[in-house]
Amino acid sequence: DVKVTQSSRYLVKRTGEKVFLECVQDMDHENMFWYRQDPGLGLRLIYFSYDVKMKEKGDIPEGYSVSREKKERFSLILESASTNQTSMYLCASSLGVSAGGASNSPLHFGNGTRLTVT
Amino acid sequence: GESVGLHLPTLSVQEGDNSIINCAYSNSASDYFIWYKQESGKGPQFIIDIRSNMDKRQGQRVTVLLNKTVKHLSLQIAATQPGDSAVYFCAEKRECDKIIFGKGTRLHILP
Repeated sequence: DVKVTQSSRYLVKRTGEKVFLECVQDMDHENMFWYRQDPGLGLRLIYFSYDVKMKEKGDIPEGYSVSREKKERFSLILESASTNQTSMYLCASSLGVSAGGASNSPLHFGNGTRLTVT
Repeated sequence: GESVGLHLPTLSVQEGDNSIINCAYSNSASDYFIWYKQESGKGPQFIIDIRSNMDKRQGQRVTVLLNKTVKHLSLQIAATQPGDSAVYFCAEKRECDKIIFGKGTRLHILP
């Protein structure tokens, strides 16, 4: 089974702090994603990456950046945390075309990091 | 703008009955659709998927129907059980493997 691990389950940070959310997957997946989940808004895509050192903006990238230095790890960075970034953050991974799998492959999610910015 | 959305935010179904959860999408170029189930405190879990060259796909107790003419997707759950209580999301694949989710439907199972 694919395992996607998010390093923290709960995190409390202060406004203005730099925050790192870490995600690791163990199935050699090409693609990795960061979403945030808020009540009534569903899952919104922040950033995604389909290869090491590559990144693409999602629908709400403002205030965030990402890092993909190794294939298995995808980090989400809040340069200066703000209260409106209080949310549940979900990391996911999927096979990519270059891995020999179909380009249509489902996402596998971690259990999320609930971040509170005070 | 383009979006993936659901018709109903909450659905209550009697235990043992069939459930139907609907989803509308607006991007006609999307070629792959997925349904996820999310239980409290967990990340979304894959249920079933369907490619745009199909109009129906069946799994264990679940069926996904795709109507490309009206850009509509549905998830049918047969003989709904208490363990089916969750939030269900539809998602579509857009360019560069970008997966966009709908807002979700909460399914309540009545005893």
